[in-house]
Amino acid sequence: EIVLTQSPATLSVSPGERATLSCRVSQTVSNSLAWYQQKPGQAPRLLIYNAFARATGIPARISGSGSGTEFSLTISSLQTEDFAVYYCQQYSNWPRTFGQGTKVEIK
Amino acid sequence: EVQLVESGGGLVQPGGSLRLSCEASGFTFSDYGMNWVRQAPGKGLEWVSHISSSSSSTYYADSVKGRFTISRDNARNSLYLQMNSLRAEDTAVFYCVTSFVPSGTSGTTLWGQGTLVTVSS
Repeated sequence: EIVLTQSPATLSVSPGERATLSCRVSQTVSNSLAWYQQKPGQAPRLLIYNAFARATGIPARISGSGSGTEFSLTISSLQTEDFAVYYCQQYSNWPRTFGQGTKVEIK
Repeated sequence: EVQLVESGGGLVQPGGSLRLSCEASGFTFSDYGMNWVRQAPGKGLEWVSHISSSSSSTYYADSVKGRFTISRDNARNSLYLQMNSLRAEDTAVFYCVTSFVPSGTSGTTLWGQGTLVTVSS
């Protein structure tokens, strides 16, 4: 199975600052990679699909990049509602797999 | 309103069985593949199973293969997960999730609110 490794595990950022999250994949997935945001007590929400396409309703300050085995999620200016846990997921191969998550916390 | 509503979770003893259901509304259920994703308490997300729109294809995580069976009834707009031989490590919130649903030039995946399965004696 394809293994996704996210870094860092926790990212401490001040509101208004830029945050960059990384997702490394054990074998190439082309651009079949998604990013999800999850807040406590809520279901995950799709942010990015196909590595860089924003899902419906996702603001432009959230962007995805990368291809092959190295991907990034960038939040250009963190708002209070962006503090959450973020997961990457590959949908190139079965079984689908998620990264272990990156928690973005208030510094 | 677009909605996925899971049910059927609860407390079950190790070795027992449980059947989860997910009822869809507000979109054409039969057009989309469906998934179950779970999350153990305080842990990350784990994809569990997928079924294609016509039920012609199914896929499972290795951790549940041979124990869980995914199915759907498009006439009832419903998705199911039959879980047998349950283990303590199956304890989790189980989410019903659509495959990607296009909308205009973008789209999203739809998630239910989740149903908690607790396996304990």
